[in-house]
This record gives sequence, structure tokens and C-alpha cells, in this order.
Amino acid sequence: GDQVEQSPSALSLHEGTGSALRCNFTTTMRAVQWFQQNSRGSLINLFYLASGTKENGRLKSTFNSKESYSTLHIRDAQLEDSGTYFCAAEINTGNYKYVFGAGTRLKVIA
Amino acid sequence: GALVYQYPRRTICKSGTSMRMECQAVGFQATSVAWYRQSPQKTFELIALSTVNSAIKYEQNFTQEKFPISHPNLSFSSMTVLNAYLEDRGLYLCGARGGTYEQYFGPGTRLTVL
Repeated sequence: GDQVEQSPSALSLHEGTGSALRCNFTTTMRAVQWFQQNSRGSLINLFYLASGTKENGRLKSTFNSKESYSTLHIRDAQLEDSGTYFCAAEINTGNYKYVFGAGTRLKVIA
Repeated sequence: GALVYQYPRRTICKSGTSMRMECQAVGFQATSVAWYRQSPQKTFELIALSTVNSAIKYEQNFTQEKFPISHPNLSFSSMTVLNAYLEDRGLYLCGARGGTYEQYFGPGTRLTVL
């Protein structure tokens, strides 16, 4: 079955507002990465977390391996934040395998 | 810093022909390289994982006969899509990692099959 459940699948935000994306894991994960896929398809690496919380500008991410989830918070959304956001989690089996969530399509509107 | 390049960025091939794509790691030693495919409107599926000094492991639904991979050194990997058909179209990503667990992704090779 699916090991990474990402929500929501789509999200619209007005400029200046914020929201949170979430990935729930059905198995123990060693680490999680968050990416933004831009309109050309390139993946932009946002965060890598083995635990805890990281913040970068208007983005903040948390990984709770014990409770099997990770979140990505966006605040003060800007038009350029539009795109598809993916979480990818490394299964804790030591074979470096990452499993991607289904993605969240974010549209920021003026 | 750690960078991953992929060539070509876009390619078009005729149905039934083959297409080779390359992945180059710069600034770190890529001890493992993973190849993923993102089919239209879908997420990323792992095709195979290549780790130095280990055999290449293919995921279910992907085979060496269809997607042969080469990982000859710690900075380079290539994958060929043999006998490509419409269902093989999509964005092919290379993810490489060195001494840390973080995986660095290239920009992808977008394959169109006519």
C-alpha cells in the first residue's frame, strides 16, 4: 500500500496568507525531504530533515519520526510559490530508498 | 556545493527506439544513484537504485532489460530506455547521494515518445 500520504492534493492561497502541507507515513522513516516542482518540472530542494524543525524564510518544516508525519508551513504566500510540492521520505531499512508523496498543487492568487 | 546535472534536459524519440540519459554529480562522490520516473499527472516512482559495490536493485514493474543502468564511477550514471513506447513518456530524475543521507536531485530529462 501507499507508504506516504500527502495532503491536501490541491490548495489555493491568496497572496499574503499561509497554510500547511502534511505527509503521513505508514512505516518508520529515517528522514524526509521537501521539494517544490516548478513550472518547468525541475525539483527545488527545500528541506532535508532527519528530525525536528527547520526554517528558511517563509517556509518551515517539521519531521516527527515517532508520530510518523512531516509538515511544511508556508506563510505570507507569494505568486512565485505556486507549483507542486512533494515530500519524499527515506524508508528506514538502510537501503537509501525514498518514497514520494502524491504532491500538493499550490496556486497562489493575487 | 553539491550539484547534480542531467543530460539531455528534453528529448523526443520515435516509438520503438531507445534513448540514453546521463546524470553527473559535482562536488561530492555519488556512492548511490537512484533513477525515478514521473509519468504525466503522477508522482515519482523509483525505477532502480545503484549503490557502489552492490548490484543495481530494480523496483517492481521495472527491469534491467528495459532500463539498463550504468554507474561506472562516483560521479556518473546513465540509464537507457530501451524500445520506448507511449507509456514511457515522462520526467526522469536522477537522485544522487554521498556520505550524508540527503539526496540531491538533477533537473530531470523529459522524454516524449512519438
